[in-house]
Amino acid sequence: EAGVAQSPRYKIIEKRQSVAFWCNPISGHATLYWYQQILGQGPKLLIQFQNNGVVDDSQLPKDRFSAERLKGVDSTLKIQPAKLEDSAVYLCASSSRLAGPYEQYFGPGTRLTVT
Amino acid sequence: AQSVSQHNHHVILSEAASLELGCNYSYGGTVNLFWYVQYPGQHLQLLLKYFSGDPLVKGIKGFEAEFIKSKFSFNLRKPSVQWSDTAEYFCAVSPQTGANNLFFGTGTRLTVIP
Repeated sequence: EAGVAQSPRYKIIEKRQSVAFWCNPISGHATLYWYQQILGQGPKLLIQFQNNGVVDDSQLPKDRFSAERLKGVDSTLKIQPAKLEDSAVYLCASSSRLAGPYEQYFGPGTRLTVT
Repeated sequence: AQSVSQHNHHVILSEAASLELGCNYSYGGTVNLFWYVQYPGQHLQLLLKYFSGDPLVKGIKGFEAEFIKSKFSFNLRKPSVQWSDTAEYFCAVSPQTGANNLFFGTGTRLTVIP
């Protein structure tokens, strides 16, 4: 079974530029998550999708971050404009179910450096 | 609000030593509990999970964890560590009601010296 795919793996941009990350979840997984992991911290949930609908985006800084999952499969996360404090690893995860103790499968992450 | 505390930021052990990593959480309701591990250069992956039943759960690679409800704790243990256990370990909780949102601790880096 193929895992969660993410691209790019690394990205360096200047502050005020925009950037987009892509995620392809495990086939058949209806639930998709984007996490932000700042150095020295645990992952923090940004947004959760069930199919193409948003379940929880309460932690997403909506003035600069946006995410979509138009066809209920792939997802993109965008930052516009980026700030220095956005430097982090952005993790995508997927799960077969919305609720319950179901395992979330994580991708390799995209390491973003904002200079 | 939910919070997860991992007391040890960096643990250094020699091979064959016993391991215990602490995890405490703060949440008013019933939770599912997880330990995830990230080996160097690899993805986060599930080590073990607890959602009900026997509070002592066993995971992959000889790891186990015990849920103590009265202490809001879910400590990770291994009787004898190996060099290959060198990794970062994250405790996470998700409320049993609502969506399967994970709240992570800050992680504990384990270094095992051969």
